This record gives sequence, C-alpha cells and structure tokens, in this order.
Amino acid sequence: EIVMTQSPATLSVYPGETATLSCRASQSVSVYLAWYQEKPGQAPRLLIYGASTRATSIPARFSGSGSGTEFTFTITSLQSEDFAVYYCQQYHSWPLTFGGGTRLEI
Amino acid sequence: EVQLLESGGGLVQPGGSLRLSCAGAGFTFSSFAMSWVRQGPGKGLEWVSTTSDTTYYADSVKGRFTISRDDSKSTLYLQMNSLRAGDTAAYYCAKSTGKNSGHAFDSWGQGTLVTVTS
Repeated sequence: EIVMTQSPATLSVYPGETATLSCRASQSVSVYLAWYQEKPGQAPRLLIYGASTRATSIPARFSGSGSGTEFTFTITSLQSEDFAVYYCQQYHSWPLTFGGGTRLEI
Repeated sequence: EVQLLESGGGLVQPGGSLRLSCAGAGFTFSSFAMSWVRQGPGKGLEWVSTTSDTTYYADSVKGRFTISRDDSKSTLYLQMNSLRAGDTAAYYCAKSTGKNSGHAFDSWGQGTLVTVTS
C-alpha cells in the first residue's frame, strides 16, 4: 500500500497570503495525484488531478506541482472561502489512498 | 450537471447488514468507474471500493462488502455485511475521471451516514 503523508497537519495563514501544502508518497505515483478540498458539512471537491491539472471551474489561484513522490499544492491570494481541509490522493495503484489532510486556518 | 444521490444509511447493530445505493444523473453512467469513499467521525477520507470493468476493495472491507452497479438504472450499490463499529462513517459515492484508469474523483454525493452500534 502506498502511504500518503501530508504536511503540515495545520497551517495558519492570513487572507491574501499564499499557502503551500505538501504531500509525500511512500513510493512513486508518477503524476497520478489529486487534491481535494473539504468544508464542514460538504462533500469533498476535486481541485487538481494529474498532479497539476485544475479540475473544471477551479480558479487559477489553485495550483499543483510535482511528480514521483513529492508534491506541492499552492493557493495564492487566499480568500475566506479557501479555509478548509485539503487532502491529497494517489491513484497510481490499488488500494487508492488518501493523505491525512492539512487543515488550512485563518 | 452531474448529480449523485446516496441512500440506505442508518443505524445497525454489529454483525448486521445494510445496502447503500447511489443514483447518478447528468452523465453517461456506464462510461465511468464508480467508487465508495468513507469518512469516520473526525477522521480523514478512506477509499472503500471501486467498480469499473473490475472491482477493487480496501483490505478493511474485503470479504464483507460487495460493490455492484446497474448501468441500466445509473445506480451504484454497496452491500455491507458483518458490520463493525469501525465501519461507522459517512459513505460517499464518487465518480471517477475515467473508466479503467484515472481514478481521481471529480464528483461526489452528499453522503449517507452509517452508524454501527449496539
């Protein structure tokens, strides 16, 4: 099983600033890496797939990069609605696995 | 617009069974892999099972849960047997970006809650 490790667990950032989240895979997942946003009481939302491709209707302030075992997710010009929990997920091999999440707080 | 609507959750005793359903609309259901993902109380996301041309299961549910689909009804199912307290979670139905590859989840239902308790 590929273990996905996200850091930090919690990130405190001011509105308008940039947040950078990390995700590390225990073995290479190539670019088969997705990022999701989850808000309380809502279903997760796909933001990035293929490590760097934004999903439909996702603003350009959200971006992803990386390949292999090291991935970065960046949100620039943070807005109030961006404060949520973010998960990475690998879909390179079975079982599919998620990271433990990063809570982005004001 | 893609819509996924889960149903069938509820309260069940340990060892009991439940069958979850997920009705899809707004896309060609048969052309995509479909999955169940769960989230325990206060916990992160956990993949449970996927059905495409093959079915896949997490080790934690293998032998107890069965995923199936009826493409004629655009409906996904999860038969859950021998339920344990650790299965307590919100269960989400999720659509993959592809059929036999590309299993990022681009659409999710609102979830159905399963509580296993005596």
